[in-house]
Amino acid sequence: AQSVTQLGSHVSVSEGALVLLRCNYSSSVPPYLFWYVQYPNQGLQLLLKYTSAATLVKGINGFEAEFKKSETSFHLTKPSAHMSDAAEYFCAVSPNYGGSQGNLIFGKGTKLSVKP
Amino acid sequence: DGGITQSPKYLFRKEGQNVTLSCEQNLNHDAMYWYRQDPGQGLRLIYYSQIVNDFQKGDIAEGYSVSREKKESFPLTVTSAQKNPTAFYLCASQSRVNQPQHFGDGTRLSIL
Repeated sequence: AQSVTQLGSHVSVSEGALVLLRCNYSSSVPPYLFWYVQYPNQGLQLLLKYTSAATLVKGINGFEAEFKKSETSFHLTKPSAHMSDAAEYFCAVSPNYGGSQGNLIFGKGTKLSVKP
Repeated sequence: DGGITQSPKYLFRKEGQNVTLSCEQNLNHDAMYWYRQDPGQGLRLIYYSQIVNDFQKGDIAEGYSVSREKKESFPLTVTSAQKNPTAFYLCASQSRVNQPQHFGDGTRLSIL
């Protein structure tokens, strides 16, 4: 069965510092991968998606992620953290590549805190 | 604007009571999903529907029921059989397989 592991349930950075949120997946076939952001008491908002077109994916709010097949990773980065980046971030994989079911498998999330 | 509307935002359930959470979308998406979110556990799939009048159980369907009579609507009923219903419930829709899911703003359910 496919799975997603997010290393670190909490990450704290200083404003202006690099943000690195880790995501590893298990998949026997090329996956579709997504990063979502969730602010308190809100739904999930798509940050970016990997669909095999390019290994470096740029998303909204200055975030990007790099797909590394050899490491089965899809880590999320942002060069300079802003206070407004404080939120919970979820990595997700589409487990049925080429199949008929569209349900996603989500990691358990990483809460990002940004210190002034 | 197109999107997904969940209502109510907050809901309270009494012992032995069934409650229904509403989810409506105007994105013309075929597939719709219900997730339960608990702190530290991420999102867990309750039910999903890929087409009108058809739906499948997800990983934690016990104590829940759904219907899909219209493309736009996918209500979730939390029955009295669900002994631990306190959670944040998220509804999502999807245009087709492997595309991103679009989420509503959630309903927070608590026990009175």
